[in-house]
Amino acid sequence: DTEVTQTPKHLVMGMTNKKSLKCEQHMGHRAMYWYKQKAKKPPELMFVYSYEKLSINESVPSRFSPECPNSSLLNLHLHALQPEDSALYLCASSQDLGGYNEQFFGPGTRLTVL
Amino acid sequence: AQTVTQSQPEMSVQEAETVTLSCTYDTSESDYYLFWYKQPPSRQMILVIRQEAYKQQNATENRFSVNFQKAAKSFSLKISDSQLGDAAMYFCAYRLINYGGSQGNLIFGKGTKLSVKP
Repeated sequence: DTEVTQTPKHLVMGMTNKKSLKCEQHMGHRAMYWYKQKAKKPPELMFVYSYEKLSINESVPSRFSPECPNSSLLNLHLHALQPEDSALYLCASSQDLGGYNEQFFGPGTRLTVL
Repeated sequence: AQTVTQSQPEMSVQEAETVTLSCTYDTSESDYYLFWYKQPPSRQMILVIRQEAYKQQNATENRFSVNFQKAAKSFSLKISDSQLGDAAMYFCAYRLINYGGSQGNLIFGKGTKLSVKP
């Protein structure tokens, strides 16, 4: 199983809503990532978890709150988002933080903030 | 800071022909990895090919091969016998070797959109 799954596929939310994005992998990977991708742009790293601990936070606003409940799951909690936060949110995983390791990407959650 | 540059926003190739996508990067490091990722429309990003900087031999994966020129900091992707399914956005990416710290970042170029004409 070389699959990273993400739910939901699409999400529309208002600026006052609270919602969560979910990511799951069963490849035994110990590093998981959240990326934000705007249209026709490359992915931008948001957070990195390594062995369920937050390793990197790329100065992301606090309205995005990541959580790694176990080695297979990664959540991204959303609160009080802005319209400019509308984007494709990609989750990825890799065996560990070793540079050679392939990152496996999920299909993404397309988020629209009204 | 490391940067990755893809100078061709869009490319087009005839089916069964060969196309080369360009990528250059800037780094002061000597040990790193380079990747080409493919993102088809509305589909998942997948790894096409990767190259270790300490290896002189160019990586190949079936119809995909790279021309890695370390001194020139160039890492181009050649796609032979292009197929309709090759149509996608291609991202060149750079990543440092991780020595147990927190340097896990993939640094992406802006991408090249490849169209394949039947």
